[in-house]
Amino acid sequence: AQSVAQPEDQVNVAEGNPLTVKCTYSVSGNPYLFWYVQYPNRGLQFLLKYITGDNLVKGSYGFEAEFNKSQTSFHLKKPSALVSDSALYFCAVREPPGGSYIPTFGRGTSLIVHP
Amino acid sequence: DGGITQSPKYLFRKEGQNVTLSCEQNLNHDAMYWYRQDPGQGLRLIYYSQIVNDFQKGDIAEGYSVSREKKESFPLTVTSAQKNPTAFYLCASSGRSDSPLHFGNGTRLTVT
Repeated sequence: AQSVAQPEDQVNVAEGNPLTVKCTYSVSGNPYLFWYVQYPNRGLQFLLKYITGDNLVKGSYGFEAEFNKSQTSFHLKKPSALVSDSALYFCAVREPPGGSYIPTFGRGTSLIVHP
Repeated sequence: DGGITQSPKYLFRKEGQNVTLSCEQNLNHDAMYWYRQDPGQGLRLIYYSQIVNDFQKGDIAEGYSVSREKKESFPLTVTSAQKNPTAFYLCASSGRSDSPLHFGNGTRLTVT
């Protein structure tokens, strides 16, 4: 069975500093990995995904994520945080065709960027 | 613009009443999902559907029902059997497995 762990409920960072939101996964075979962001009282918005290829993927709003197969991780990063980045972030995994197509989400990490 | 629409945004009901949440998409996606979100608990899957006239229970289906009579529509009924229905409900759709889910903006249901 596939699973996703986001070990931090909350991440605090000062504006202008780099940020990292952690995600580890467990899946049979090669994973399809996704990051989403949720603002208050809104649905989730897609940020970026890793399917295959380059381990560093770039997404919306200056975010990027690094796929590390040996550590089964897919951490979300941004070089310089903005106050407007404050939101809830979700990591998700799907198995490739042949496996379960139902995505599994982590519990979410609340990112707070302080001015 | 293509997207997924949930209505209403806020819904208030008395205990013991059934209530139906609407979800419509014009993305031509085959798969649709219903999630429940409670503070600190992430997203929990209620029901999902891969094709019209077929749907499957998710992790927390008890007290809920769905239908999928049209590709575009996947309404969720919260029945009186659901013991703690007050929550934020999210509908989503997707195409291929390497594609992300598209989410609606949710319905916040309050039952008193």
